[in-house]
Amino acid sequence: DAMVIQNPRYQVTQFGKPVTLSCSQTLNHNVMYWYQQKSSQAPKLLFHYYDKDFNNEADTPDNFQSRRPNTSFCFLDIRSPGLGDAAMYLCATSRDRGLTGAQYFGPGTRLTVL
Amino acid sequence: DQQVKQNSPSLSVQEGRISILNCDYTNSMFDYFLWYKKYPAEGPTFLISISSIKDKNEDGRFTVFLNKSAKHLSLHIVPSQPGDSAVYFCAAIGIQGAQKLVFGQGTRLTINP
Repeated sequence: DAMVIQNPRYQVTQFGKPVTLSCSQTLNHNVMYWYQQKSSQAPKLLFHYYDKDFNNEADTPDNFQSRRPNTSFCFLDIRSPGLGDAAMYLCATSRDRGLTGAQYFGPGTRLTVL
Repeated sequence: DQQVKQNSPSLSVQEGRISILNCDYTNSMFDYFLWYKKYPAEGPTFLISISSIKDKNEDGRFTVFLNKSAKHLSLHIVPSQPGDSAVYFCAAIGIQGAQKLVFGQGTRLTINP
């Protein structure tokens, strides 16, 4: 089945220790997104890639970086995690940019910062 | 600045009855609206959408209504089934370049047998 896969599902890291979250897709979609969702809050877009074109949201902290080495994979790097970065991180894809396409989400990675 | 709001954090409905989930938005530039459903330990799943040129879209048991003048949309589920118990997110897209979804906070729907 075509899908969006996130690894790991649960990640524990220490304060200040870099961490990388992984997302892969078999949908061959052009666009990949990373969202942060804190408890009882709406998912918040951090950035997205349209093919190789990186688009950062204005309010995304510099602590968050992303890489997309090929169509299938996208990584979220948190350079120095703080306690406030503990959240669910959701990866999503869409076939193209535009108003009518739905985004397909992975199951998420829950990040705990000790 | 919450541009998409779901004011009811939770809703409880009897099986077989109608579930109505509400969503309000503030940005008149939003042009397309979507509902997502989320089960625990899973990512959100696309459910149904509506363009701003329409006021209703129906898909099986699910109907979305849009009232542009009131900047309000609602999701109706009828009849409600136990498998509908989940968190429902309203989301909106505007003419802002990329397909940037702005989500509401979600409403937890519980269907009671």
